[in-house]
Amino acid sequence: KNEVEQSPQNLTAQEGEFITINCSYSVGISALHWLQQHPGGGIVSLFMLSSGKKKHGRLIATINIQEKHSSLHITASHPRDSAVYICAVSSGATNKLIFGTGTLLAVQP
Amino acid sequence: DTGVSQNPRHKITKRGQNVTFRCDPISEHNRLYWYRQTLGQGPEFLTYFQNEAQLEKSRLLSDRFSAERPKGSFSTLEIQRTEQGDSAMYLCASSPPFRLAGVYNEQFFGPGTRLTVL
Repeated sequence: KNEVEQSPQNLTAQEGEFITINCSYSVGISALHWLQQHPGGGIVSLFMLSSGKKKHGRLIATINIQEKHSSLHITASHPRDSAVYICAVSSGATNKLIFGTGTLLAVQP
Repeated sequence: DTGVSQNPRHKITKRGQNVTFRCDPISEHNRLYWYRQTLGQGPEFLTYFQNEAQLEKSRLLSDRFSAERPKGSFSTLEIQRTEQGDSAMYLCASSPPFRLAGVYNEQFFGPGTRLTVL
């Protein structure tokens, strides 16, 4: 069993839909990260959180430490949101990242 | 551009050849990570440097892999006697010193080096 699990692996949505991606983890963490990766490889940090909820534009990230679960929500989705969304946790003395396998999101116009 | 840079961006090599990748972190970042990402998977941790010291290595890092950060600035990752299974995207990330980052650990990623071993 992977230490970080994401679901779904693939998601297709219509423009305007509300999207939720889930992440659960089984290790001790210092923070949980939501990252975005576009074709070609570049990874961008969207959120880093250790408790509660954060909002940036149409994106919202929540975390429940007791349940070891986090969600990433996208409101009013747009085709430009199409990308791979990756959940990762900072763990250990070096704070290395342990990644989920990613969710491939395609938003159709 | 003051972000993390990696060179080359793409490398095609024949099985058995040696390859070397370079990562230049953000200048004030003393922490540097290497990750490897195969197609359709999330990245996996390879190794970590704090300044010039290599403090953690993954079991993924076989003895054909070696990483250095000689002056605590740029880092190199060398793969000797490449195999087809080494084909992947090699990602570098850097972070500021712990005293600046606090309990958090935002990592800033470079664009990656895509390795194809024929």
